[in-house]
Amino acid sequence: GQSLEQPSEVTAVEGAIVQINCTYQTSGFYGLSWYQQHDGGAPTFLSYNALDGLEETGRFSSFLSRSDSYGYLLLQELQMKDSASYFCAVNTGFQKLVFGTGTRLLVSP
Amino acid sequence: GAGVSQSPSNKVTEKGKDVELRCDPISGHTALYWYRQSLGQGLEFLIYFQGNSAPDKSGLPSDRFSAERTGGSVSTLTIQRTQQEDSAVYLCASSSEGGVGSVGGYTFGSGTRLTVV
Repeated sequence: GQSLEQPSEVTAVEGAIVQINCTYQTSGFYGLSWYQQHDGGAPTFLSYNALDGLEETGRFSSFLSRSDSYGYLLLQELQMKDSASYFCAVNTGFQKLVFGTGTRLLVSP
Repeated sequence: GAGVSQSPSNKVTEKGKDVELRCDPISGHTALYWYRQSLGQGLEFLIYFQGNSAPDKSGLPSDRFSAERTGGSVSTLTIQRTQQEDSAVYLCASSSEGGVGSVGGYTFGSGTRLTVV
């Protein structure tokens, strides 16, 4: 079977740093993606890691350790607009993404 | 178009009726995906198209669900004899090369919120 584990909810204050973890067990693995979804909105692509290490894109960074079947999304200098759900997703190599159940991030003033 | 367009944005239907959901992908995107998202849940894969063919339809929950894609563009997801458990947001996504792992990933539409009463 396929499973991706994420915390259901994370809270933080504006300006802080938050890390959202994702552990996965899948039948195949070619890469880990992260998506952001605001309430009522479409998921939007944030990042993709195919190899171990850290990828940085502005305030967001994503990390992957294939040996640990683990990745995380790091959000720095949090802003109110970062309040959203964040999904990790695994490319299993069968031309589709398998998504986690999502982490709801609440940013307070 | 500039983005992935889905219609209708909202659909309320009576149990037992058939519904059709439409997806208009980004022009030139060869890969098209349908996902379903129940309230507060993750995204459940339904079906994948490469061009007009569907190499993977393993996520369709039952034979009441079907989908087609014509002209390598528009796709329609049909649910026959709808049931209350079909209530969810149906999301469509497209990508340029079946590029599950490519930079840019999927581009999702805003979805169709289906409510079966």
